[in-house]
Amino acid sequence: DGGITQSPKYLFRKEGQNVTLSCEQNLNHDAMYWYRQDPGQGLRLIYYSQIVNDFQKGDIAEGYSVSREKKESFPLTVTSAQKNPTAFYLCASSTNNQPQHFGDGTRLSIL
Amino acid sequence: QKEVEQDPGPLSVPEGAIVSLNCTYSNSAFQYFMWYRQYSRKGPELLMYTYSSGNKEDGRFTAQVDKSSKYISLFIRDSQPSDSATYLCAMSTYNAGNMLTFGGGTRLMVKP
Repeated sequence: DGGITQSPKYLFRKEGQNVTLSCEQNLNHDAMYWYRQDPGQGLRLIYYSQIVNDFQKGDIAEGYSVSREKKESFPLTVTSAQKNPTAFYLCASSTNNQPQHFGDGTRLSIL
Repeated sequence: QKEVEQDPGPLSVPEGAIVSLNCTYSNSAFQYFMWYRQYSRKGPELLMYTYSSGNKEDGRFTAQVDKSSKYISLFIRDSQPSDSATYLCAMSTYNAGNMLTFGGGTRLMVKP
């Protein structure tokens, strides 16, 4: 079954801690994206990557970091510099001028 | 003013009703228009995708784009309780997969 897998489903962060959210896809898509979704709000783009070893900041990149060492993987680190990290994080991928497909998200909360 | 506006709802309808969901936008360069359905605690699922103006039908769902009015719609016929979800519109300029701008979503409740 082709798709996007995000893990974990739920994650708790302590003060001063960095946490990493996993996103893996087996769709052979070139582009991958990270979004943040807050209650009642649309999706806001954090980072995106069009190709391996390259990524670009989105609208709200401050306090986040990413890497793209493999085509199928695009992990997101929420650093301690992100002062309001509680949100639902969504990973997506796309290819060949086709719409993005999404994973089922990770809900991050503060302890 | 947001680039894409969408009434947050909630919109409550009886089972079997025709539902109309809408988005307005300000950027005339948008060419690709998508509707996603999102169930609670799940990721968005692509429902409909249209390019430029016109209508597209898929089963009980019809997507309409009116670029002259900067207005898109999603119609759901014979609505079912399983249609209860948040519906997000999304649009982009030069590529259907890149740099999507999302509306805030409309929550729909279909009551049996």
